[in-house]
Amino acid sequence: QKEVEQDPGPLSVPEGAIVSLNCTYSNSAFQYFMWYRQYSRKGPELLMYTYSSGNKEDGRFTAQVDKSSKYISLFIRDSQPSDSATYLCAMSEYGGATNKLIFGTGTLLAVQP
Amino acid sequence: EAGVAQSPRYKIIEKRQSVAFWCNPISGHATLYWYQQILGQGPKLLIQFQNNGVVDDSQLPKDRFSAERLKGVDSTLKIQPAKLEDSAVYLCASSLRGDPFFGPGTRLTVL
Repeated sequence: QKEVEQDPGPLSVPEGAIVSLNCTYSNSAFQYFMWYRQYSRKGPELLMYTYSSGNKEDGRFTAQVDKSSKYISLFIRDSQPSDSATYLCAMSEYGGATNKLIFGTGTLLAVQP
Repeated sequence: EAGVAQSPRYKIIEKRQSVAFWCNPISGHATLYWYQQILGQGPKLLIQFQNNGVVDDSQLPKDRFSAERLKGVDSTLKIQPAKLEDSAVYLCASSLRGDPFFGPGTRLTVL
């Protein structure tokens, strides 16, 4: 079993839709959770960074962490064509400079105008 | 703030040849990472430096891969000799507090 599982998609939605992206994990020691967005032929770009369980909102993006279920989600409201990209979840046991990020395989999202 | 710089952006070599990638991190970032991203997969950490010391190289295939970070700034990653399965994007990232900022990557094709 992989440490981090993520549905690879692809996921296609119409503009304005609410998008839900999810990851599950097996290592209960993970405490730090991140979502990255990666456009084609670009490096990943950090979108959201959360610690432990709970919700965090930033504009149209909301990250949720449920440590009891080992499940994290990223919600995108009012999705735009510019949101079309691969979304990667990542997590680590420690924060700071000693962290070792474990990434999911990424979900490819296409938002149709 | 300038981002992480990497070169070259693309490289095509034949198997058993050698190749080197260069990375210049964001100024002031003490931590530098090299990740390998195979098509359709998430990035996998190869090596992590804190200043010019190695923090984690547990997933670096040391029989063919080597990396150095002289003076705690720029870094080079070398593959010698390359295998077909090394075809991937090699991402360099740097961080100040533990949330890595990634460069654009070097896309390596091994024929």
